[in-house]
Amino acid sequence: AQKITQTQPGMFVQEKEAVTLDCTYDTSDPSYGLFWYKQPSSGEMIFLIYQGSYDQQNATEGRYSLNFQKARKSANLVISASQLGDSAMYFCAMSPMNTGNQFYFGTGTSLTVIP
Amino acid sequence: DAGVTQSPTHLIKTRGQHVTLRCSPISGHKSVSWYQQVLGQGPQFIFQYYEKEERGRGNFPDRFSARQFPNYSSELNVNALLLGDSALYLCASSLTRDRYSGANVLTFGAGSRLTVL
Repeated sequence: AQKITQTQPGMFVQEKEAVTLDCTYDTSDPSYGLFWYKQPSSGEMIFLIYQGSYDQQNATEGRYSLNFQKARKSANLVISASQLGDSAMYFCAMSPMNTGNQFYFGTGTSLTVIP
Repeated sequence: DAGVTQSPTHLIKTRGQHVTLRCSPISGHKSVSWYQQVLGQGPQFIFQYYEKEERGRGNFPDRFSARQFPNYSSELNVNALLLGDSALYLCASSLTRDRYSGANVLTFGAGSRLTVL
């Protein structure tokens, strides 16, 4: 069975500080992709960052980086230099190769950036 | 280029009615997926279509159906609506495919918010 776990329902961070959002996953498929999406109150899911299961290096996209620890089955998102516009829901997702392009999402973490 | 567009953005139905939601993918994207997001939860996979064929179906009853048209746009139909069908319905399209993991990056639309009374 495929499962994504996000254990932090809500997080607060001071503006300009870094924050880590936790994500663990479970799959028996050796090939999979890991994704993070941001969902503002408007509802649209915005793609942030992707990590393939065979990637040797952690993915980075601007202020976003993914701390991928394959043995621990974790894929934490690190946001550096937080901005007020980062306040939103953040979802971790996994797409195992044997399920085609089906994505499994966690329950999300609500991030609030404090001025 | 236009992103993924969905219509309608909001709609209210009563129990037992039928609803049709529409989605236009990003130009050049041949895969369309539908997800249901209940308030306070992450999106749940409903369907995936690729080249007009159903390639995947989530754990949803037969009241849910979908199709993809020759121009790659898609419709999601839900019959005999229940109160529990109230949710944000998200459509996503994809193009690129990582050759090792097989994973595609999904680009989502803004969603159709359905309220069933």
